[in-house]
Amino acid sequence: SAVISQKPSRDICQRGTSLTIQCQVDSQVTMMFWYRQQPGQSLTLIATANQGSEATYESGFVIDKFPISRPNLTFSTLTVSNMSPEDSSIYLCSVAPSGRDGEQFFGPGTRLTVL
Amino acid sequence: GQQVMQIPQYQHVQEGEDFTTYCNSSTTLSNIQWYKQRPGGHPVFLIQLVKSGEVKKQKRLTFQFGEAKKNSSLHITATQTTDVGTYFCAGRGDYKLSFGAGTTVTVRA
Repeated sequence: SAVISQKPSRDICQRGTSLTIQCQVDSQVTMMFWYRQQPGQSLTLIATANQGSEATYESGFVIDKFPISRPNLTFSTLTVSNMSPEDSSIYLCSVAPSGRDGEQFFGPGTRLTVL
Repeated sequence: GQQVMQIPQYQHVQEGEDFTTYCNSSTTLSNIQWYKQRPGGHPVFLIQLVKSGEVKKQKRLTFQFGEAKKNSSLHITATQTTDVGTYFCAGRGDYKLSFGAGTTVTVRA
């Protein structure tokens, strides 16, 4: 299995500011993802964080708004830029370790509230 | 694009009763996964189905994958209070998982 930690666990931010969320995994993983989950809703994939290259963004998400870093196989950051109240959500880091038949492990999430 | 639909959205169950949640994809899937998310928690992997018509059991939970690999179901027998939470199906088409809307289960003791 993979143990994932995220920082911060929650934050309250002002409109127009940016927040960087960190994701740390206890083992090296190739596949790492960032999801968004609005209260009571399903999970929406924001992007796949690629080590050594630019992240792959899903439709509706752009690098300028959600820049992602992946400096190595155990760590990634997601920045939510120029925040608005519509960005209030839970942001989850997820990994799919090799040899686990596609099973994905999720971090505890970062609960973001934008005022 | 690939869409995964899940019903019902809410399921209120009397303790001891059975219930089923259903998942349908707009496209053929390579596999389907099920996750459980407890209130305030994060999704936790339950199982993956890969083969057409596959059926897997985990204690009181029975998972099925349709013959056409476009639908799936989760059946829980003799519901317990520990079954409370939201159950998500997630279908893999090409490379990514597409999550259904989830079925939120509450249990009446």
